[in-house]
Amino acid sequence: QSVLTQPPSVSGAPGQRVTISCTGSRSNIGANYDVYWYQQLPGAAPKLLIYGNNKRPSGVPDRFSGSKSGTSASLAITGLQAEDEADYHCQSYDNSVGGYVVFGGGTKLTVL
Amino acid sequence: QLQLQESGPGLVTPSQTLSLTCTVSGASITSLDYYWGWIRQPPGKGLEWIGNILYFGATSYNPSLKSRVAISVDRSDTSKNQFSLKLNSVTAADTGVYYCAVSPSSDRDWRPWGQGTLVTVSS
Repeated sequence: QSVLTQPPSVSGAPGQRVTISCTGSRSNIGANYDVYWYQQLPGAAPKLLIYGNNKRPSGVPDRFSGSKSGTSASLAITGLQAEDEADYHCQSYDNSVGGYVVFGGGTKLTVL
Repeated sequence: QLQLQESGPGLVTPSQTLSLTCTVSGASITSLDYYWGWIRQPPGKGLEWIGNILYFGATSYNPSLKSRVAISVDRSDTSKNQFSLKLNSVTAADTGVYYCAVSPSSDRDWRPWGQGTLVTVSS
């Protein structure tokens, strides 16, 4: 059971917009810790997609955007492309039990 | 360019100790600018942070694994530029891909990651 909650799967047609939610609590996202998003292509290691809630590392298309509000965060992907089919993971920090890194359970994005 | 590479046995017997090493290139393991960490992923499941270490030895572990895990830096030979993971009393639930990664702070993002190594716990 992951500390952060994500939907197991989402899907969309090419060109559409999809969002992936990441729900936490007052001891992690709600405690003002930043949220990070990773993209994991099949058979590959996760790669940072969004940092600091809404910032993109160099090379990440602006079709990807992040937001955060209260105890939740979201990843939005616009202009969906076949190459976006992957697993997406959110990450934050939890200040309970001495403090530790927490992840969501991951969301499988299928491009129809 | 900072790169990481995991190495170690791909098969571990139940109740024994899982031992992995991460070799770092492009940065010094002695740098106090980085937290060196381990993250794992059971087959078909999400990511789980195992823990991390600073060069001078300060460690932080996932509360669910704390009693069984140890992360260390080889300070006797820093030329190897490595840090290690030991997880004892393993069961089938510890099967998965193990990644090493680096972060600028204990509450920040992890990048980059190693390619990962699959460890299977089975007799």
